[in-house]
Amino acid sequence: DIQMTQSPSSVPASVGDRVTITCRASQGISSWLAWYQQKPGKAPKLLIYAASTLQSGVPSRFSGSGSGTDFTLTISSLQPEDFATYYCQQASSFPLTFGGGTKVEIK
Amino acid sequence: EVQLVESGGGLIKPGGSLRLSCVASGFTFSNAWLTWVRQAPGKGLEWVGRIKSKTDGETTDYAEPVKGRFTISRDDSKNTLYLQMNSLKAEDTAVYYCLSSGWYFDSWGQGTLVTVSS
Repeated sequence: DIQMTQSPSSVPASVGDRVTITCRASQGISSWLAWYQQKPGKAPKLLIYAASTLQSGVPSRFSGSGSGTDFTLTISSLQPEDFATYYCQQASSFPLTFGGGTKVEIK
Repeated sequence: EVQLVESGGGLIKPGGSLRLSCVASGFTFSNAWLTWVRQAPGKGLEWVGRIKSKTDGETTDYAEPVKGRFTISRDDSKNTLYLQMNSLKAEDTAVYYCLSSGWYFDSWGQGTLVTVSS
């Protein structure tokens, strides 16, 4: 199975900050990676797929990059509604696997 | 608009069985690969398994922790996905989500909570 390791596990940030979250795959997954945002009590929301393609309706302050084993999710200017937990997910091979999550919290 | 409505969750004793259902609309159900993902309270997301479309053989794959205990099936005439869960364990306690894809998940239902406890 492909292991997905996210870092950091939490990041304290302020509105307006640039936030970067990393995700590392235990083996190469090309660009088969997605990022999700989840708020408490809600289902996850797809932000980015194929490593860098923005899902329709997602604000352009979110961006994704990387290929192979190393990926990043960047929020260019953090907004109040962005405080949430973020997960990466590999779609290269079954079983699909998720990272452990990164909580973006108020500094 | 894709809609996914899960049901069938509840409180069940260890060793018991439960069948979850997911009624779907807003897409061509029969052509879709369908997936179950779960989330234990306060924990991350875990892929449970998926079923291919009938034209792709309707084959299934499962995560190791549920292999041999859980069975995914579908009824294309009812636009419904099922998850039969047997020999339930405390660690199966989670919110279960059905998803209308095999790879990336852009539409989520509200999920259904399964609690395994004596």
